[in-house]
Order: sequence, then structure tokens, then C-alpha cells
Amino acid sequence: DTEVTQTPKHLVMGMTNKKSLKCEQHMGHRAMYWYKQKAKKPPELMFVYSYEKLSINESVPSRFSPECPNSSLLNLHLHALQPEDSALYLCASSQDGTGKVYQPQHFGDGTRLSIL
Amino acid sequence: DAKTTQPPSMDCAEGRAANLPCNHSTISGNEYVYWYRQIHSQGPQYIIHGLKNNETNEMASLIITEDRKSSTLILPHATLRDTAVYYCIVRVPTAGGTSYGKLTFGQGTILTVHP
Repeated sequence: DTEVTQTPKHLVMGMTNKKSLKCEQHMGHRAMYWYKQKAKKPPELMFVYSYEKLSINESVPSRFSPECPNSSLLNLHLHALQPEDSALYLCASSQDGTGKVYQPQHFGDGTRLSIL
Repeated sequence: DAKTTQPPSMDCAEGRAANLPCNHSTISGNEYVYWYRQIHSQGPQYIIHGLKNNETNEMASLIITEDRKSSTLILPHATLRDTAVYYCIVRVPTAGGTSYGKLTFGQGTILTVHP
């Protein structure tokens, strides 16, 4: 069982719909991430939040809008997506200490998104 | 971050050791080697990491060559549940004074464990 919970597990939406993906962790982690993974490809980073503030945006189109309402929750708001946005969207979290000890990322099992 | 090269696929018999190689010839002195794996229909899972010494934990061992240009992940007694894509990642451990940051996944090695 993963400690990072993502909902929904599957989502089908039209190009004009607005939907949101949700991610939750209760490990006290202060860094949270969104990744996108196309079929048979490795995950690609989209966004990083640290202490509820956006710290990395990998030039993601504005039709993807992340939000971190508190330290345990991470949302990804979707609007006017294109068919090529169909993918597995993974959320991850890690401790965000200031030490030099590596703190691995813990991943959820993802939301499989299909755009019609 | 340094680039890594891994074989696209490998097979292993159940109960035998699985040795997964990774080349990182352009690794710099402050970059660590990290291994993650992704079992089908799941998110990636952290396995192990190291700088220059060999490392072992409950999941695997990591052997890094003396020149640090390559490494091998060893699963000592592979089981069917170890069938997954294994990713070798090289990067500095911190970014901006914190220990979070970007993971750049390569294509990885598909390990298939056979009965």
C-alpha cells in the first residue's frame, strides 16, 4: 500500500471539461511533486512544491494548474486539455530538510487520464 | 545532471541474483547514484543510493566502481514480484540548500523474473 494517495485512479474527460486530480500524504513531508508519464516512457517532472510554495515549474502549459492548499494536499487542476495530455499523472512527496542527507521521493500509484 | 545508460531489458530466474548495470561515465564528484523501480500499474519506488562506497539495504546492494563511471544494482534473490522497470539516476543530492529536487528518469531496464 502506498503512503501517497491519489484520486481518482482513472479519469476520462472531454477537451472542454474542467477537472481536478488530488494527492494526499500524511507523512509530514513538505515537498510535493507532480509527474507526467506517457505510455512506455519514464516519468517527467511537471511541478515541485516546497512548504506549500511552487518552487519548480518545468515549463508546463497553463492548462495544467497546480495548487497546494496545505502541507498534506496537492491538487492539479485541468482545463481545456488536449488528447496528447492523456497519460498517467503521478504525485510524489519527500521530506524537505536542509541537511545533505538524501530523502527519497514516495510516489502514489497515479491517476490514469484519458482525454476524448 | 549526468546522463545514464542502461540495457533496455534483462531476464533473471527466480531465486537467482539479478545484476542490473548502469553506465554514468560523465558523473561528477558530487553526484550520487540513485535507483528506483516501477512495478506495472504502480508509482516508482525508491530502492537505494550511494556516492562511492558500496551500499546495502533490505532491498538490494549497490556496487559502484572505483572510478565511479558505472554501477550495478544487485537483487540477491530475485522473486516474481521484482519484475519491474529499474531506473538508474545520477544527480546532486541537494538543490538550493534543500534535499528535494528534480528526478530525471532515463529509459530504464525492464527486468523480467521467470519462474
